[in-house]
Amino acid sequence: KNQVEQSPQSLIILEGKNCTLQCNYTVSPFSNLRWYKQDTGRGPVSLTIMTFSENTKSNGRYTATLDADTKQSSLHITASQLSDSASYICVVSSILTGGGNKLTFGTGTQLKVEL
Amino acid sequence: DAGVTQSPTHLIKTRGQQVTLRCSPKSGHDTVSWYQQALGQGPQFIFQYYEEEERQRGNFPDRFSGHQFPNYSSELNVNALLLGDSALYLCASNTGLLNSPLHFGNGTRLTVT
Repeated sequence: KNQVEQSPQSLIILEGKNCTLQCNYTVSPFSNLRWYKQDTGRGPVSLTIMTFSENTKSNGRYTATLDADTKQSSLHITASQLSDSASYICVVSSILTGGGNKLTFGTGTQLKVEL
Repeated sequence: DAGVTQSPTHLIKTRGQQVTLRCSPKSGHDTVSWYQQALGQGPQFIFQYYEEEERQRGNFPDRFSGHQFPNYSSELNVNALLLGDSALYLCASNTGLLNSPLHFGNGTRLTVT
């Protein structure tokens, strides 16, 4: 069964500090992995997307890593800001027989950045 | 260029009633997917529409049905509402290509009383 597990479930950090969120998956066959940021009451917004051959992808203060061998990904946030407070969702895409792809969502890590 | 738009933003219905949610995809996108997101959970895939046909379906009962129109907009219909149907319903669109990222709307918050 395809699954995506994220840790920690929630996290509180002080403004300016760094943090790392984890994502482990058992999705096969693997197509790509995306990290989304979801603000409260809003739809998720894509931060990064990585395919099998990519190990690192950055988007400003966000850096995602992928280890396709161990089926693990991380999202590192540098110099956190209050606006980083949100849910961060890991989404893994698998290829369907006959075409198309299927997305498996993690339950997200709820990050709160405090003064 | 408008992104994905959903209507209404909030809705309150009574158990047993029926509801229709609407979605307009991002310009240039032809594939629409619907998700249900319970509080504190990740989105759960309901179904996907492409070329006016349901292409994929998640593990949701037949009470959940949909439609896609020639202009690529889409509707989600839920019949015989249950209390457990209370959730944020998200619409997402993309081009249908393999690595095409999903663009989400801000959702419709459905409350069933």
